[in-house]
Amino acid sequence: DQQVKQNSPSLSVQEGRISILNCDYTNSMFDYFLWYKKYPAEGPTFLISISSIKDKNEDGRFTVFLNKSAKHLSLHIVPSQPGDSAVYFCAASAEGSSNTGKLIFGQGTTLQVKP
Amino acid sequence: SAVISQKPSRDICQRGTSLTIQCQVDSQVTMMFWYRQQPGQSLTLIATANQGSEATYESGFVIDKFPISRPNLTFSTLTVSNMSPEDSSIYLCSGTTGRGGYTFGSGTRLTVV
Repeated sequence: DQQVKQNSPSLSVQEGRISILNCDYTNSMFDYFLWYKKYPAEGPTFLISISSIKDKNEDGRFTVFLNKSAKHLSLHIVPSQPGDSAVYFCAASAEGSSNTGKLIFGQGTTLQVKP
Repeated sequence: SAVISQKPSRDICQRGTSLTIQCQVDSQVTMMFWYRQQPGQSLTLIATANQGSEATYESGFVIDKFPISRPNLTFSTLTVSNMSPEDSSIYLCSGTTGRGGYTFGSGTRLTVV
């Protein structure tokens, strides 16, 4: 049972344009969501997070939107840069009353930003 | 946030042998976790490493195959036992001090031949 899904395995955008990466989840107990970037031969690097009490969080070129009713979140990267080319993972955690600290990851989306 | 040193970074092992992966955190973390990333797939949680007690394993993972130790708040090991080619994966440890503070090691790329 895939509780966190990234249905697009890959995305290609032109430098300077917007990259939109999508993520869906099924577990309504998830209340904290994170995006990670991963380069080959490296561990995931934290990008941005959002709590379920918010619907938007922005950090520089990165913005995460959360639609709780649709159980959907998205990561916007504007403007996209070639250095953003990597695999992006969406992750979710149920940190409320049952705080186990576990992260459940999506399958990842490979972003390619073309110069 | 904490920095995690993970080793070895990669290894090629014979089937039937065991490999122990170590993670050292530069500061105390509340929780530590071990993940596996099989080729082309997502990160799958193996277990939560509990300090001073037995790890909590996710469905499909058992202690005999993946024994885990966490003697203190800054160190943990994962052993992949009696390896087969199906165990070829990237193994990652992670630590957190609480909400948002998740850090990952650089991963161990294991190839079993």
